[in-house]
Amino acid sequence: KNEVEQSPQNLTAQEGEFITINCSYSVGISALHWLQQHPGGGIVSLFMLSSGKKKHGRLIATINIQEKHSSLHITASHPRDSAVYICAYNTDKLIFGTGTRLQVFP
Amino acid sequence: KAGVTQTPRYLIKTRGQQVTLSCSPISGHRSVSWYQQTPGQGLQFLFEYFSETQRNKGNFPGRFSGRQFSNSRSEMNVSTLELGDSALYLCASSLAYLGGGYNEQFFGPGTRLTVL
Repeated sequence: KNEVEQSPQNLTAQEGEFITINCSYSVGISALHWLQQHPGGGIVSLFMLSSGKKKHGRLIATINIQEKHSSLHITASHPRDSAVYICAYNTDKLIFGTGTRLQVFP
Repeated sequence: KAGVTQTPRYLIKTRGQQVTLSCSPISGHRSVSWYQQTPGQGLQFLFEYFSETQRNKGNFPGRFSGRQFSNSRSEMNVSTLELGDSALYLCASSLAYLGGGYNEQFFGPGTRLTVL
């Protein structure tokens, strides 16, 4: 069983829709990361959270430490948001979720 | 500031050969960690180096090894390559070691290794 569960695995949306990706983990953590991976393979760090909420442009990430749950929201989605979104937590190493493949169509 | 660089970007090897991949971290970063990404297993932690010392190692066979130099550049080596070693190998750098907690990771573009 993966220590980090992400849902959904695949997500298709129309441009402009509000997107939510969920991440649940089972251990106490010091930080949770949201990462974005485009088809070329490179990974970009979107957020690092230890509590509360962070916002960057159209992206919002929240975390509930007590419930061991985090969400990534994309407002007004755009085709360029199409990518795989991965959550990961770090203890003495990074443990990754399986990723959510998002496709946004015009 | 230059980002994390990895060389080579693509590599084709045959079974039984060995390979060395290189990662240059962001200037000032002392931690370099390595990851393997495959369609079946996803992203998995290989090992982390901090100030030339291996701090932690993932669940991989001894054929996978690494080192870090005094300028923080890191190399990983895979000996006696197997077909299953075909993967995207990513490195990430950060200011402090992973166990230090709140510590943003900056990823390189990856090296895609194909083993024939």
